[in-house]
Amino acid sequence: IAGITQAPTSQILAAGRRMTLRCTQDMRHNAMYWYRQDLGLGLRLIHYSNTAGTTGKGEVPDGYSVSRANTDDFPLTLASAVPSQTSVYFCASSDKMGPDTQYFGPGTRLTVL
Amino acid sequence: GQNIDQPTEMTATEGAIVQINCTYQTSGFNGLFWYQQHAGEAPTFLSYNVLDGLEEKGRFSSFLSRSKGYSYLLLKELQMKDSASYLCAVMDSNYQLIWGAGTKLIIKP
Repeated sequence: IAGITQAPTSQILAAGRRMTLRCTQDMRHNAMYWYRQDLGLGLRLIHYSNTAGTTGKGEVPDGYSVSRANTDDFPLTLASAVPSQTSVYFCASSDKMGPDTQYFGPGTRLTVL
Repeated sequence: GQNIDQPTEMTATEGAIVQINCTYQTSGFNGLFWYQQHAGEAPTFLSYNVLDGLEEKGRFSSFLSRSKGYSYLLLKELQMKDSASYLCAVMDSNYQLIWGAGTKLIIKP
């Protein structure tokens, strides 16, 4: 059982380019989340999905979009990357959105130049 | 606004006990989580408190006082592998986690 996988592990991207970060879970969890983690700051929620077919905005959604076509996959797209999007991105999932443990993927380290 | 405060860094000695504090102000409260994060790795779940009091799980314990907006994580019999960041997070009224910046714990031999 892999849990949650993310790809790529790391990426260097030129500003203005489009990038999709992939996230797949095999736990059949209903809820999925995308966070970014920056030095000195707590994890910040970008987007979430309660269940397949639905998505919602978190604390810092601008410049990002998500889709949830099925239970397992929750890709995050940066339409036109900017240097301020340099961060470590974590995908997470939980059985339901609510007071339930969130399980995290290994993260993607993204650098936008 | 919503705010989670915890110390930036703490140092402790192998075999000792350390207490990491967390204070919070959030819109609503649906529980408080503690996660451990080793450098370069993903956060992993340690504990969850929703009622006042102490929850014990092996060498780790977590305490909550909702009236004071306060929690602490207690680590006993410290081991070198406990060197990590410890993240406090509160679930707000929208069922979203609000995270503290984390406490980096350094264990010395």
